[in-house]
Amino acid sequence: GENVEQHPSTLSVQEGDSAVIKCTYSDSASNYFPWYKQELGKRPQLIIDIRSNVGEKKDQRIAVTLNKTAKHFSLHITETQPEDSAVYFCAASRTGGSYIPTFGRGTSLIVHP
Amino acid sequence: IAGITQAPTSQILAAGRRMTLRCTQDMRHNAMYWYRQDLGLGLRLIHYSNTAGTTGKGEVPDGYSVSRANTDDFPLTLASAVPSQTSVYFCASSDFPYNEQFFGPGTRLTVL
Repeated sequence: GENVEQHPSTLSVQEGDSAVIKCTYSDSASNYFPWYKQELGKRPQLIIDIRSNVGEKKDQRIAVTLNKTAKHFSLHITETQPEDSAVYFCAASRTGGSYIPTFGRGTSLIVHP
Repeated sequence: IAGITQAPTSQILAAGRRMTLRCTQDMRHNAMYWYRQDLGLGLRLIHYSNTAGTTGKGEVPDGYSVSRANTDDFPLTLASAVPSQTSVYFCASSDFPYNEQFFGPGTRLTVL
């Protein structure tokens, strides 16, 4: 089955800095890669996703890049703000087969004012 | 529109008792999922259903059972609760298995 590794487990930055979270996956057939943000005590919510037919996607201060050859994808947050502090999860899934999505273990991002 | 709801919000349960966590969605999504979330272990899939009438086992299915009698409801049952099942449980749904998942608010379960 699919295996998703996420790094780092904790990331501490100063407000205004950039933050990068990286994930690797094992199943070369995976073709959907979402990122979820979970604020303390809340439910996970999708913030951005990318499919295998594109290499990069941006939404304001957030971007995701995908390298299918190396089987890794990354979340980039620019100009971080205190409200970006949360746990971020990556995931990988694919059409066909069992469809089971696999999540990384999460990255706790702390943005210091 | 409620989206996806879970009940109860929290529960304290004696070991050995039977418990059913409820999950209902009104988005007519085909796929539904149950996860448990424990500190440092992320979201681990317990059971899933790609469409009404079908279910499958996830990463940590032991001690749990599910049913999917209709599109909207996906209850999770602990037949005989044990302390290691203390966790936060999230239900989720998606229109198709390989699309965005929408999560419920979670149920915090403590087994003593």
